[in-house]
Amino acid sequence: QQPVQSPQAVILREGEDAVINCSSSKALYSVHWYRQKHGEAPVFLMILLKGGEQKGHDKISASFNEKKQQSSLYLTASQLSYSGTYFCGTEIGSGNQFYFGTGTSLTVIP
Amino acid sequence: DTAVSQTPKYLVTQMGNDKSIKCEQNLGHDTMYWYKQDSKKFLKIMFSYNNKELIINETVPNRFSPKSPDKAHLNLHINSLELGDSAVYFCASSPGQLLAKNIQYFGAGTRLSVL
Repeated sequence: QQPVQSPQAVILREGEDAVINCSSSKALYSVHWYRQKHGEAPVFLMILLKGGEQKGHDKISASFNEKKQQSSLYLTASQLSYSGTYFCGTEIGSGNQFYFGTGTSLTVIP
Repeated sequence: DTAVSQTPKYLVTQMGNDKSIKCEQNLGHDTMYWYKQDSKKFLKIMFSYNNKELIINETVPNRFSPKSPDKAHLNLHINSLELGDSAVYFCASSPGQLLAKNIQYFGAGTRLSVL
């Protein structure tokens, strides 16, 4: 039931773009995205509640395809501060089942 | 002031011992969680409490027992520690029970090493 993220790891140069995918085998009620920097706690990025919903702030945005049970996180013009592990969190049903994805390690180099 | 605080930050102990990790949140949230993050960085929910009532109880060994004396505190007690219990344990809280509309705020984590 743990959603699968791809890629597992990615290395970018500053200014490059990246896409992180999250796929679930079960129907999704919502998708959450968090970023965890090395040695720190996960920090919330955004929640998507409806199929087809897209959200974003600054240069990080996300989409949610309810039919395909997938979500994607888009990072454009990456900055060094974007480095970390990104997790999708998927809510199955209506509140009592929540699973974080397998994680994607993103490293931005100068 | 730290919003979600866990103690201790590090815990090194021998197999077979019993230990507790404490968590407190000062955000006024109704829901609190315990997560386990293993060496591969997989984050797995263990328990969730809403207003001191257990609402999520994933399949974890019954050596793990959460206790919520009030809605601002959620402690985790672990009996008969095993090598496989070594991990980082995160406490988190959110305003309400329905995850869909609620952001989770995480504590800094407790790194447990069982020798």
